[in-house]
Amino acid sequence: EAGVVQSPRYKIIEKKQPVAFWCNPISGHNTLYWYLQNLGQGPELLIRYENEEAVDDSQLPKDRFSAERLKGVDSTLKIQPAELGDSAVYLCASSEGGKADTQYFGPGTRLTVL
Amino acid sequence: AQSVAQPEDQVNVAEGNPLTVKCTYSVSGNPYLFWYVQYPNRGLQFLLKYITGDNLVKGSYGFEAEFNKSQTSFHLKKPSALVSDSALYFCAVRRGAAGNKLTFGGGTRVLVKP
Repeated sequence: EAGVVQSPRYKIIEKKQPVAFWCNPISGHNTLYWYLQNLGQGPELLIRYENEEAVDDSQLPKDRFSAERLKGVDSTLKIQPAELGDSAVYLCASSEGGKADTQYFGPGTRLTVL
Repeated sequence: AQSVAQPEDQVNVAEGNPLTVKCTYSVSGNPYLFWYVQYPNRGLQFLLKYITGDNLVKGSYGFEAEFNKSQTSFHLKKPSALVSDSALYFCAVRRGAAGNKLTFGGGTRVLVKP
């Protein structure tokens, strides 16, 4: 079974530029998560989707970050414009949903903003 | 609010010796507890979880964890560590049923020396 797929794996951009990350969850997983992981720290949830609906985006900085999951499968996370402090690893995870479900993570996208 | 504490930034152990990675948590209601491992430039890999039932949970790669409600702990253990176990380990907690936020600890780096 294929795991969570993310692309690109690495991205280097200059500040004020836009950037987008793509995630394809495990087949059949209705719940999708985007996390931010700073160096040496645990992941922090940015947004959670149940199918197409964003059910928890309270930690998403909405002035510059946006996300979508149009058909309830793939998802895109965008930053516009990027700031130096956005340099981090962006992780996508998915789960089947329901009680006691386990989140499975993709390899992440390492973003460097210069 | 819920939180996870991993009191040791790094644990050093000789190959073949027992390995313990400590985790304590704070959450209202029944906790769902998870351990993940992260290798360099990789996403988080699920090791094991406690939902209910037996306090001793067995997981992947010979790891196990013991849930202790009175001490609010969920320490990860392996009887005989391998050099390949060297990685970053994260403990996480969720309050009860699905849909609640998964909160991660800051991580513990494990270094197994040959």
